[in-house]
Amino acid sequence: DVKVTQSSRYLVKRTGEKVFLECVQDMDHENMFWYRQDPGLGLRLIYFSYDVKMKEKGDIPEGYSVSREKKERFSLILESASTNQTSMYLCASSSLLKGTDTQYFGPGTRLTVL
Amino acid sequence: EDQVTQSPEALRLQEGESSSLNCSYTVSGLRGLFWYRQDPGKGPEFLFTLYSAGEEKEKERLKATLTKKESFLHITAPKPEDSATYLCAVQAVRYKLSFGAGTTVTVRA
Repeated sequence: DVKVTQSSRYLVKRTGEKVFLECVQDMDHENMFWYRQDPGLGLRLIYFSYDVKMKEKGDIPEGYSVSREKKERFSLILESASTNQTSMYLCASSSLLKGTDTQYFGPGTRLTVL
Repeated sequence: EDQVTQSPEALRLQEGESSSLNCSYTVSGLRGLFWYRQDPGKGPEFLFTLYSAGEEKEKERLKATLTKKESFLHITAPKPEDSATYLCAVQAVRYKLSFGAGTTVTVRA
């Protein structure tokens, strides 16, 4: 079974803090993704990575950066957290090399910025 | 731009009352259509991938079908544990999924 884990289920931060969200997958997938999910707006892609040290902007990259130093780990960084970044953050991974491009999601991190 | 519309927004069913969820889409070249189940406060759980019109997939009480313009998720004789939000997503460009808003299903015992 594909396993995607995220470092925290719930996180509370102050405005202006630097925030790190970590994601780890154990299926040797080459692709990893960060989404945020908000009521009424659905899932929106922030960044994705198709290989180590490679990254691409998604639909809403402003205010975020990412890091992928190892194949199994993908980090989302909020350089200076703001209240409008309060959201559910979801990590996913996929591999076309393994036959399908299906994205498998982690449990999510509920981030609250005060 | 890819468009995915799910209907209805919410569905309340009695246990055992079969029904269908709709996902209509507009994409330029479908690479795949995906169904996920999401429980409150959790990440989406993968259910099915469909690649071409006419394809069908089944898992327990769920069956997904695909035409050139829409997909249906049929729930047969649902149980309360089938209560969840069901998300549909399409992929036209590699790496990029476009999600619908979801259908929230509530099954009463």
